[in-house]
Amino acid sequence: DAKTTQPPSMDCAEGRAANLPCNHSTISGNEYVYWYRQIHSQGPQYIIHGLKNNETNEMASLIITEDRKSSTLILPHATLRDTAVYYCIVRVGGATNKLIFGTGTLLAVQP
Amino acid sequence: NAGVTQTPKFQVLKTGQSMTLQCAQDMNHEYMSWYRQDPGMGLRLIHYSVGAGITDQGEVPNGYNVSRSTTEDFPLRLLSAAPSQTSVYFCASSYSRTGGGIGEKLFFGSGTQLSVL
Repeated sequence: DAKTTQPPSMDCAEGRAANLPCNHSTISGNEYVYWYRQIHSQGPQYIIHGLKNNETNEMASLIITEDRKSSTLILPHATLRDTAVYYCIVRVGGATNKLIFGTGTLLAVQP
Repeated sequence: NAGVTQTPKFQVLKTGQSMTLQCAQDMNHEYMSWYRQDPGMGLRLIHYSVGAGITDQGEVPNGYNVSRSTTEDFPLRLLSAAPSQTSVYFCASSYSRTGGGIGEKLFFGSGTQLSVL
């Protein structure tokens, strides 16, 4: 599975959009991009995933570049409850579900 | 549905003791897995299972045993606890062993905090 690179921490003002970047320059054509988040001391929570096209759900939007070497998770209107560690994971779909988590980005939403 | 249930929430062991961390899911998920989380290291996969009777190793399997006799349960056993196994343990499950689309959405339990003295 391709390796991902994320900044260790980011700040965002409450009510503003939070844009979390992820680099995955070695991604293969059949590898999906997944995003999870972990609020302090809780189990991780699925946010969104995608292959090529941009995706949007009730939690966030995922923008994947045309060459698929990087992606951005967008929380459109960040709240204090969005303060968490955000994990970007890349892996092959259609195989065993063996997601490997890195250290993620700590997003701190400021009032 | 209760989702993924882990017990106990907290546990303190002495070096050399054995114990079993319990994980149960009521969503009829085929895939189940165990992760450990240490400060500054993210989550690391210990063992996983793609169905009853089938288990495999993850990144850090040493010191842990698992079995999957039913679809619902996936216990994690520490045969002889060591201080290096002090960690927070998470169990996770998903619907489909083969993944793809919604099948690869992992559901996590609330964790077990284990201290080995």
